[in-house]
Amino acid sequence: NAGVTQTPKFQVLKTGQSMTLQCAQDMNHEYMSWYRQDPGMGLRLIHYSVGAGITDQGEVPNGYNVSRSTTEDFPLRLLSAAPSQTSVYFCASSPRAGSTEAFFGQGTRLTVV
Amino acid sequence: LAKTTQPISMDSYEGQEVNITCSHNNIATNDYITWYQQFPSQGPRFIIQGYKTKVTNEVASLFIPADRKSSTLSLPRVSLSDTAVYYCLVGDNGIGAGSYQLTFGKGTKLSVIP
Repeated sequence: NAGVTQTPKFQVLKTGQSMTLQCAQDMNHEYMSWYRQDPGMGLRLIHYSVGAGITDQGEVPNGYNVSRSTTEDFPLRLLSAAPSQTSVYFCASSPRAGSTEAFFGQGTRLTVV
Repeated sequence: LAKTTQPISMDSYEGQEVNITCSHNNIATNDYITWYQQFPSQGPRFIIQGYKTKVTNEVASLFIPADRKSSTLSLPRVSLSDTAVYYCLVGDNGIGAGSYQLTFGKGTKLSVIP
């Protein structure tokens, strides 16, 4: 039982490049979400999904796209990377929408130069 | 979601008991209180959750007074490995029609000193 798995762990992008951060969970959780964490800012919600085929925006969605074609996977796409997107990204899953017990991945540290 | 307020940082010596208090004056009837721990370069980890009175597990204890407007996370006999950021969250755990968003504030940075 791996829990929540994020890949890659580290990534450097040039401004304007696109990429996809992968997130997979093996707990059959209904709810998945993406956060970014910047120094002194806590965690901020980017997008979330309450089930396959259903996604919605969080607090800071601009510049990011998501999709949820299966229960297990919830990739985060950066369309055209900007230096302001330099951050640590965490994926999380929960048994159901609104659950306050969330399981987090190890994070992806992204640098945009 | 009810807003929470907790100290930005705390220092403690090894072996001491540490109490971190969180204020949530606008907590709703259906809301639970949940605490997470985050080590450097790792994702947050759920450590304890409660609704009222006291909850204890192998990691910590959570004390919630009758009015539920605050809560205290208690870490017994801390060690250097307890150095982390601790977050307090309040939400209805999916029972009601509350928000789907878990709101993490800036947390309390606990530094354990040898």
